[in-house]
Amino acid sequence: AQSVTQLGSHVSVSEGALVLLRCNYSSSVPPYLFWYVQYPNQGLQLLLKYTTGATLVKGINGFEAEFKKSETSFHLTKPSAHMSDAAEYFCAVSGVRGSTLGRLYFGRGTQLTVWP
Amino acid sequence: GAGVSQTPSNKVTEKGKYVELRCDPISGHTALYWYRQSLGQGPEFLIYFQGTGAADDSGLPNDRFFAVRPEGSVSTLKIQRTERGDSAVYLCASSNSQGIDTQYFGPGTRLTVL
Repeated sequence: AQSVTQLGSHVSVSEGALVLLRCNYSSSVPPYLFWYVQYPNQGLQLLLKYTTGATLVKGINGFEAEFKKSETSFHLTKPSAHMSDAAEYFCAVSGVRGSTLGRLYFGRGTQLTVWP
Repeated sequence: GAGVSQTPSNKVTEKGKYVELRCDPISGHTALYWYRQSLGQGPEFLIYFQGTGAADDSGLPNDRFFAVRPEGSVSTLKIQRTERGDSAVYLCASSNSQGIDTQYFGPGTRLTVL
């Protein structure tokens, strides 16, 4: 079974500072990995995903994440935070075969606050 | 184009009542998913449809929950004899097919059971 742990339910950074949101997963086989963002009163929006190939994945709005199999991690980063990045971020995994394929398992989320 | 829509956006009901939540997926998307997001939690999988059939309903918490997708497009999540613990945001997502295709989420229906 897959599971996701997001370290830190709240992260605060100053505008222009590095954003680092942590995600570790547990899976019997390397899963597919996703980061979603949720703005208030809006649906979840995909930031980026890793399926196969290059382990450093670039997404929208300047975010990127690196899949590290040895550390079972998929941390999300952005070099310079912007006020508009304030939102809740969810890491998710899905299985790679059978009935688990496409079924997303989410972490509990990290609320990002950006200070001016 | 139009995204995933869900109606109603908010639903308040009394314990023991029956509710229906509707999801309109993106046109042409064959895969449809329902998730439930409780306060302070990430979304939890409920059920997945491929076309008209429920391919995986293992996430439904008990037999009070049921979902249909009769024509392979619109889906309805039905909850019988609602309980206060059913209060949550119910999310619907659709994708072009099962698997790694991006799931596009609707804004959700906030269900409150008094």
